[in-house]
Amino acid sequence: EAGVTQFPSHSVIEKGQTVTLRCDPISGHDNLYWYRRVMGKEIKFLLHFVKESKQDESGMPNNRFLAERTGGTYSTLKVQPAELEDSGVYFCASSQDRVYEQFFGPGTRLTVL
Amino acid sequence: AQSVTQPDIHITVSEGASLELRCNYSYGATPYLFWYVQSPGQGLQLLLKYFSGDTLVQGIKGFEAEFKRSQSSFNLRKPSVHWSDAAEYFCAVGRPFWGNTGKLIFGQGTTLQVKP
Repeated sequence: EAGVTQFPSHSVIEKGQTVTLRCDPISGHDNLYWYRRVMGKEIKFLLHFVKESKQDESGMPNNRFLAERTGGTYSTLKVQPAELEDSGVYFCASSQDRVYEQFFGPGTRLTVL
Repeated sequence: AQSVTQPDIHITVSEGASLELRCNYSYGATPYLFWYVQSPGQGLQLLLKYFSGDTLVQGIKGFEAEFKRSQSSFNLRKPSVHWSDAAEYFCAVGRPFWGNTGKLIFGQGTTLQVKP
């Protein structure tokens, strides 16, 4: 069974540009989560999808971040326009139910110059 | 506000030595508790979890953790460390009945280095 996959693995962009990160959860997992780790800090929750609906987006830092989950399958996280402080590793996780057994992807390392 | 503290940012142990990684949480009731490990280039892998019941929890790769309510701690242990255990370890908390979210709160992580 394939795990959670994320694309790209690395992205380097200029300040002001747009970047879209993609996450493919484990097949059949209705719950999908995005987290972010800024350099030297802890991993922080961004949001939680249940199927295509946003269950909790309390961790989204500002309106430059837009997450979508079309058809309840893969999810994208768009940052527009990117700022220097957006640099970090963005993790995606999925779970089959809400018992917190979340399976994480390898992350996308975003560098904003 | 809920928080998780991992006091040790970096730990070095010799191969074969015992290991204990510390984790303290701040929360008014007993949360769900987790330890994850991240090896270079890999995603976070769940080592073990505690929801309720027996306070000593066994996980994968020979790890165990003990929940101590009086100390608000959930320390991770391994009796004999292998070179392949070198990685970054994260303690995390989930709060039951936290709305319907599966939100996890993580500590800052502890990087384990293993000396031959």
